[in-house]
Amino acid sequence: NAGVTQTPKFQVLKTGQSMTLQCAQDMNHNSMYWYRQDPGMGLRLIYYSASEGTTDKGEVPNGYNVSRLNKREFSLRLESAAPSQTSVYFCASSEPTGGTDTQYFGPGTRLTVL
Amino acid sequence: AQSVTQLDSQVPVFEEAPVELRCNYSSSVSVYLFWYVQYPNQGLQLLLKYLSGSTLVKGINGFEAEFNKSQTSFHLRKPSVHISDTAEYFCAASGNTPLVFGKGTRLSVIA
Repeated sequence: NAGVTQTPKFQVLKTGQSMTLQCAQDMNHNSMYWYRQDPGMGLRLIYYSASEGTTDKGEVPNGYNVSRLNKREFSLRLESAAPSQTSVYFCASSEPTGGTDTQYFGPGTRLTVL
Repeated sequence: AQSVTQLDSQVPVFEEAPVELRCNYSSSVSVYLFWYVQYPNQGLQLLLKYLSGSTLVKGINGFEAEFNKSQTSFHLRKPSVHISDTAEYFCAASGNTPLVFGKGTRLSVIA
């Protein structure tokens, strides 16, 4: 039982390049989330998927797109990376229970955009 | 919209001393409250959560938190910290919106 896995662990991009961050969970959870973590800012929600086939914007969606590929996988795409997107990205999953659910986090992807 | 305020960005404390990490929330509807911990270079994991019932909630690693509705607070406490408690701690709230995190408190335990 691996929990939530993320690939890659580290990535360096040049401004304007694109990339996709991958996330998978093996807990059969319905909801999945993408956050970014910046120093002094805590975690901010980029996008989430309450269930397979649905996605919704979070607090900071600009510059990102997501795909809920199936129940297990939720990817985050940067179409044209900018230095402001340098951050640590976390994927999480949960079984939604009206706001009481515990989220389980992956180990993170550290992205640097030059 | 919900917001969560962690009043201290950094808290240094000597080993075996008590610690309190402060958290205040704002919400006009029912709220569920969480504390997560992040050890260096890892993801977050749940320490404890308040859903309803007893206002004193016990979590893992000897931590506890008290829900105070009148003061809209959910402070985290531990009576005696260990070096291994050095980490960043996040308070979070949810209700009818996705989870909202505070900015985090970095706890440094000094030997």
